[in-house]
Amino acid sequence: GAVVSQHPSWVICKSGTSVKIECRSLDFQATTMFWYRQFPKQSLMLMATSNEGSKATYEQGVEKDKFLINHASLTLSTLTVTSAHPEDSSFYICSAREVPGQGKEQFFGPGTRLTVL
Amino acid sequence: SQQGEEDPQALSIQEGENATMNCSYKTSINNLQWYRQNSGRGLVHLILIRSNEREKHSGRLRVTLDTSKKSSSLLITASRAADTASYFCATDAITGGYNKLIFGAGTRLAVHP
Repeated sequence: GAVVSQHPSWVICKSGTSVKIECRSLDFQATTMFWYRQFPKQSLMLMATSNEGSKATYEQGVEKDKFLINHASLTLSTLTVTSAHPEDSSFYICSAREVPGQGKEQFFGPGTRLTVL
Repeated sequence: SQQGEEDPQALSIQEGENATMNCSYKTSINNLQWYRQNSGRGLVHLILIRSNEREKHSGRLRVTLDTSKKSSSLLITASRAADTASYFCATDAITGGYNKLIFGAGTRLAVHP
């Protein structure tokens, strides 16, 4: 099956700093990528959807200036958490679709655990 | 945003017993998928059922879909301690111009030896 990688797998940072998380589709071209956030013992909440070369579409309640998403190529999307605070500590999971449309499986990365001190 | 609810929120059973988890959703869907997640780990895709299908099997897993009731169930037969995990349903639907997967709240399953 298709493989999605994330880097780093975990990161600890100080409050006020920015953190970049990379998501790569290793063996397919991802026209659409998604970013989810998961707090402990909760479900995955979709943060934003991005298509290669265009601006991301953010879900309601997600601050686009705080969570910067760049989908610069068909195999790479990045999420930058700007001016991170302890409440941003969470498990961030990216996902990718090979082509848009019905019935296509979304492939998930292994997640990145962010801890903000 | 979350698509719907799952019940039970938590389920505790003995090895060998069957586990049934239910999922309800709100909008029209293209398909519904079930995922498994071990604590602190990534997602594992279990099974996908399309909107025109009613039942699907994969090994010890059986999934049903009732689009008239907007609900699905996941049955794990002859459970094992290794099945202990959180299970999520996710609905695949077009919202905001994109096909997206939206997750339910999840069921935490504990299988005791």
